Amino acid sequence: QVQLQESGPGLVKPSGTLSLTCAVSGGSISSFNWWSWVRQPPGKGLEWIGEIFYTGSTNYNPSLKSRVTISVDKSKNQFSLKLSSVTAADTALYYCASKHTSGWYSWFDPWGQGTLVTVSS
Amino acid sequence: DIQMTQSPSSLSASVGDRVTITCRASQSISNYLNWYQQKPGKGPKLLISAASSLQSGVPSRFSGSGSGTDFTLTISSLQPEDFATYYCQQSYTSLTFGGGTKVEIK
Repeated sequence: QVQLQESGPGLVKPSGTLSLTCAVSGGSISSFNWWSWVRQPPGKGLEWIGEIFYTGSTNYNPSLKSRVTISVDKSKNQFSLKLSSVTAADTALYYCASKHTSGWYSWFDPWGQGTLVTVSS
Repeated sequence: DIQMTQSPSSLSASVGDRVTITCRASQSISNYLNWYQQKPGKGPKLLISAASSLQSGVPSRFSGSGSGTDFTLTISSLQPEDFATYYCQQSYTSLTFGGGTKVEIK
């Protein structure tokens, strides 16, 4: 059973770059899934950030695209998120998740536990 | 972007109650709609995909229905472990979530 675990700094300075890693266990990152990042600002709803396939193909939320880079490391069975030029509005719980697809249908399962990133000086 | 609007944003209910949560899309999304349950301190858990397909291991008291723009998640008899926040998510165009519905104990 695939499990996901996020890791990275919990505090990032404004204008800096947020960097997180998601370790995949119980399965191979080279399976036919898209590996995604989703965030949840305090007290708010969920926002999809972007995703990567094991081949390196990526898709990003247009609202964040200019600041987001998602990469994959098959040797370590993990994928990573970088979000540049952060502001307080980027303070959120960041989740990694496995996205499955079947035709046009897609769904997230499972999710990591989430990691809180605060943007503050 | 397709906007997903959930109602109510919160509700109070008792164990044994029938609970209905609504999700409305800003345009037709056929049945490309999923439901998740989230408990404090945990990532969301997939309950239903393709509007009405119950995931393996999810109790049968959960059901989903709808197509086009209007969707419903129903819990037929609320159990103590069902107190949580529920989200809908569309995959018709890009990926967007509803704002969530918090189900609290009455």
